[in-house]
Amino acid sequence: EVQLVQSGTEVKKPGESLRISCKASGYTFTSYWITWVRQMPGKGLEWMGKIDPSDSYTNYSPSFQGHVTISTDKSISTAYLQWSSLKASDTAMYYCASLPGGQTNWFDPWGQGTLVIVSS
Amino acid sequence: NFMLTQPHSVSESPGKTVTISCTGSSGSIASHYVQWYQQRPGSAPTTVIYEDNQRPSGVPDRFSGSIDSSSNSASLTISGLKTEDEADYYCQSYDSSYQGVFGGGTKLTVL
Repeated sequence: EVQLVQSGTEVKKPGESLRISCKASGYTFTSYWITWVRQMPGKGLEWMGKIDPSDSYTNYSPSFQGHVTISTDKSISTAYLQWSSLKASDTAMYYCASLPGGQTNWFDPWGQGTLVIVSS
Repeated sequence: NFMLTQPHSVSESPGKTVTISCTGSSGSIASHYVQWYQQRPGSAPTTVIYEDNQRPSGVPDRFSGSIDSSSNSASLTISGLKTEDEADYYCQSYDSSYQGVFGGGTKLTVL
């Protein structure tokens, strides 16, 4: 069974750094792109960016370029989303998902989500 | 920038049929496949339609998707509505730079 399991809830202060994870299982990790999606409280889904685990090529939404970094560790089949300096506006649920058919394919499966709370 | 526009909300009675639209802002919506995701409160999204009109295994055939190039739009149709279909639905596709794009989401109420 293809599965993505994300790390747990994080509570951070503005200005702190953070890395959340998304561990894949049930398939060859380097075969499928991984994407990240933000959902702010009570709002819709926003596409953040994606990475090809085979070569670490990334493609970011202009809205998130420069503010977050997407990376992978092939040795442990894990993708990461990281911030160097969090803002209160980063408070949101973050989902990872794989793209089983290529970089313009559907998102499936999705991880369960990681809640990030940024508050002083 | 390529954008997808959905109605904010729709409502219909159990047993009826509802259609949710997703209109592309520019270019051709047929340039890339359109997906539809269902999100129930407190849960991660799940796929109900991929590649315009394909249903993942486990999704009932009450769910169907289509593309209308003349109106540059995609549609999700749910027939025989059940109360369990009450959820938020998002269309998704890609722009010319292969970047993902979501519609704003449609809240479906089954009353």
